[in-house]
Amino acid sequence: DTGVSQDPRHKITKRGQNVTFRCDPISEHNRLYWYRQTLGQGPEFLTYFQNEAQLEKSRLLSDRFSAERPKGSFSTLEIQRTEQGDSAMYLCASSPTDSNQPQHFGDGTRLSIL
Amino acid sequence: KQEVTQIPAALSVPEGENLVLNCSFTDSAIYNLQWFRQDPGKGLTSLLLIQSSQREQTSGRLNASLDKSSGRSTLYIAASQPGDSATYLCAVLDSWGKLQFGAGTQVVVTP
Repeated sequence: DTGVSQDPRHKITKRGQNVTFRCDPISEHNRLYWYRQTLGQGPEFLTYFQNEAQLEKSRLLSDRFSAERPKGSFSTLEIQRTEQGDSAMYLCASSPTDSNQPQHFGDGTRLSIL
Repeated sequence: KQEVTQIPAALSVPEGENLVLNCSFTDSAIYNLQWFRQDPGKGLTSLLLIQSSQREQTSGRLNASLDKSSGRSTLYIAASQPGDSATYLCAVLDSWGKLQFGAGTQVVVTP
């Protein structure tokens, strides 16, 4: 068990650019979640997958955001035409299908928009 | 709409004192409640998970209680240590598998 891995750890980009983040979950976990956290707040749910199926998306996930989990293993989160308000920590978590098992979080990708 | 509130927002105690952190939620239709720890610039570490049918969970110096009917949970940390300094977050899991978090309590334990 190597834990949830996220890449990159930090991303600095200019407003209007596209960015993509990657998450590698714990290998035997079927569920994968994306959250966004701003300073002084708790994480906010964005979307989650069970295997390769995207089961739910938050209203926070505007049309500029897209997430994929093509083979039910790693996932990517892409933000197109980034805006200042997208600056945040993007956290990925994974868990087994049993909802009474805790979600395991990665260390996140910190996005800064110049 | 579920709302999760944590009080206090920040707490400072001398080493050795017990810590009491509070969490309240507005919708009692939860699947479970989880407590996490977050160190600066890091992800979240799961501390305790209480299923909706349970009243409490214990792990070492940590004990968490759940009163679903009143929408409250309390995390107790006995005999605090400087290494316990961190932000503690509670979150409720709904039937769709989404976690809804509070804003956290920032704890400082002074030597």
